[in-house]
Amino acid sequence: DAGVTQSPTHLIKTRGQQVTLRCSPKSGHDTVSWYQQALGQGPQFIFQYYEEEERQRGNFPDRFSGHQFPNYSSELNVNALLLGDSALYLCASSLVGRNYEQYFGPGTRLTVT
Amino acid sequence: QQQVKQSPQSLIVQKGGIPIINCAYENTAFDYFPWYQQFPGKGPALLIAIRPDVSEKKEGRFTISFNKSAKQFSLHIMDSQPGDSATYFCAASSRNTDKLIFGTGTRLQVFP
Repeated sequence: DAGVTQSPTHLIKTRGQQVTLRCSPKSGHDTVSWYQQALGQGPQFIFQYYEEEERQRGNFPDRFSGHQFPNYSSELNVNALLLGDSALYLCASSLVGRNYEQYFGPGTRLTVT
Repeated sequence: QQQVKQSPQSLIVQKGGIPIINCAYENTAFDYFPWYQQFPGKGPALLIAIRPDVSEKKEGRFTISFNKSAKQFSLHIMDSQPGDSATYFCAASSRNTDKLIFGTGTRLQVFP
């Protein structure tokens, strides 16, 4: 049973650049949520996707956008990168109707210099 | 009202000890309370979860105690092992939102 996978593992970008992170959900799951985890902090909810639409969004600026594909995989895009965007970006998948039970991938470590 | 407060920030116990991590919440709409374990460089792994209609849940060496009136819940790790050394996060969610609100984490170190 394949778990949640994310790519790339690590990424280094420069301020002002744009980045795209990718996520494949656990087999059988149809909902994807994205979280940002700063060093030493708990994950913070960015947004959630189901049926290729954004269902809900956390307190993040419009520079953060996403997409879900028909195969349930998802992308997180961040434009105009700031130093403060350096963090571990986590993808979690779940099944609609049981979205409280979320399973996380290993994350993508983004460093903005 | 959306916060989940977690304590202590760090915890050191000897092998076989019973570390206890506490969390408190304000939002009475929360109805699902999971605990996650995270090792360095890894994503959080779902350990155990509880709903407010029960006061205790056990899975292996992990036990959640839940006090609905006090709006508090805690994780107990029985017979702790060095392999349990990790950061533990409590979280909460509600049917209205399905997003997880995380505590700030507790770094647990278990020494042999």
